[in-house]
Amino acid sequence: DQQVKQNSPSLSVQEGRISILNCDYTNSMFDYFLWYKKYPAEGPTFLISISSIKDKNEDGRFTVFLNKSAKHLSLHIVPSQPGDSAVYFCAASAPHNAGNMLTFGGGTRLMVKP
Amino acid sequence: EAGVAQSPRYKIIEKRQSVAFWCNPISGHATLYWYQQILGQGPKLLIQFQNNGVVDDSQLPKDRFSAERLKGVDSTLKIQPAKLEDSAVYLCASSQSGGPYGYTFGSGTRLTVV
Repeated sequence: DQQVKQNSPSLSVQEGRISILNCDYTNSMFDYFLWYKKYPAEGPTFLISISSIKDKNEDGRFTVFLNKSAKHLSLHIVPSQPGDSAVYFCAASAPHNAGNMLTFGGGTRLMVKP
Repeated sequence: EAGVAQSPRYKIIEKRQSVAFWCNPISGHATLYWYQQILGQGPKLLIQFQNNGVVDDSQLPKDRFSAERLKGVDSTLKIQPAKLEDSAVYLCASSQSGGPYGYTFGSGTRLTVV
């Protein structure tokens, strides 16, 4: 049972345009959501997060939107740059998870074309 | 601040052989996680330690996988005997207690079982 799903395995965007990566979840106990970025041969690195008490969090070119009623979150990258090409994972955490275990989606490979 | 160190970076073994991975977390991080990432999927938690005690090992295949964290610092993950389906990247992460946002991942060990 996949509790966190990223339905688009890949996304291609032109440099300078907006990239929108989507994530859906099924567990209503999740209260904290994160996006990680992963380059080949490296571990995932934290990008941005959002608490369930908010519906938007912005950090420079990156904005995460949370729609709790739809159990959906999205990551917007504006403007997209070639260096943003990577695999993006969304992850979620529930308060009952001792030690704050993260549940990850399957990832979306973003390719930004120059 | 030094990151999470993992070794080896790559390992190729035959099925039914044994293998061990090592992880050194960020200094002072009490929580240590081992994740398995199969190609095309998101990381899946195998085991979580708080200091040298196990918090969650519900998804660890205990008939073949074992892990320890002696003295609450370094950790080793062992597979014996390995199966073809164990081919994956094994990621170690650490965090300070108190929030899911403090995760730092190592670069991982890519295991190929032939």
